[in-house]
Amino acid sequence: GQQLNQSPQSMFIQEGEDVSMNCTSSSIFNTWLWYKQDPGEGPVLLIALYKAGELTSNGRLTAQFGITRKDSFLNISASIPSDVGIYFCAGQRQGAQKLVFGQGTRLTINP
Amino acid sequence: SQTIHQWPATLVQPVGSPLSLECTVEGTSNPNLYWYRQAAGRGLQLLFYSVGIGQISSEVPQNLSASRPQDRQFILSSKKLLLSDSGFYLCAWSGSGGTSETFWTQYFGPGTRLLVL
Repeated sequence: GQQLNQSPQSMFIQEGEDVSMNCTSSSIFNTWLWYKQDPGEGPVLLIALYKAGELTSNGRLTAQFGITRKDSFLNISASIPSDVGIYFCAGQRQGAQKLVFGQGTRLTINP
Repeated sequence: SQTIHQWPATLVQPVGSPLSLECTVEGTSNPNLYWYRQAAGRGLQLLFYSVGIGQISSEVPQNLSASRPQDRQFILSSKKLLLSDSGFYLCAWSGSGGTSETFWTQYFGPGTRLLVL
């Protein structure tokens, strides 16, 4: 079953607002990945994190690998309409042989 | 650069009919390959993964099977489709290099939407 708790499940914001979402687990992870999925398309990798404490930016997106290695967050600054979609976190748990995914955060932006 | 293709993009099949979905990767060699299924509005469920030609690991018991006849080709099949097989099927690849970064970072294809009627 799912080993990642992703929150919030959905967000309704105004254009221009900042967005924050996170994933947590009771297990230690070696890798954290953040993806965005548009309707009817495959997820696209946004940011990959490989070291505890790592803070990485990709344009208006910033993600961090938690110091405890049990969580990660993704921030989007100054949201625009094309940010609409579902955001997934994924991670490789220490000792495991596959990725686990969060259930996704659906982002809706009101113009 | 690497690219991943899936076809068909959309498929409507009657219950009991066979299925064959194809995934190919370009621009890399010896990738790890994955098949996921996504129900509408839901998360990703790993179905199969492969670390090499002819090597298939199944994650969940089901009506589907997978094969890897060539290094960069991954096929998802069924002999008789069920209504519950409807969904969005995603293929992904990751590098099989020595670093954890290339091994665990997965890149997804555009997906195949399957509707079983």
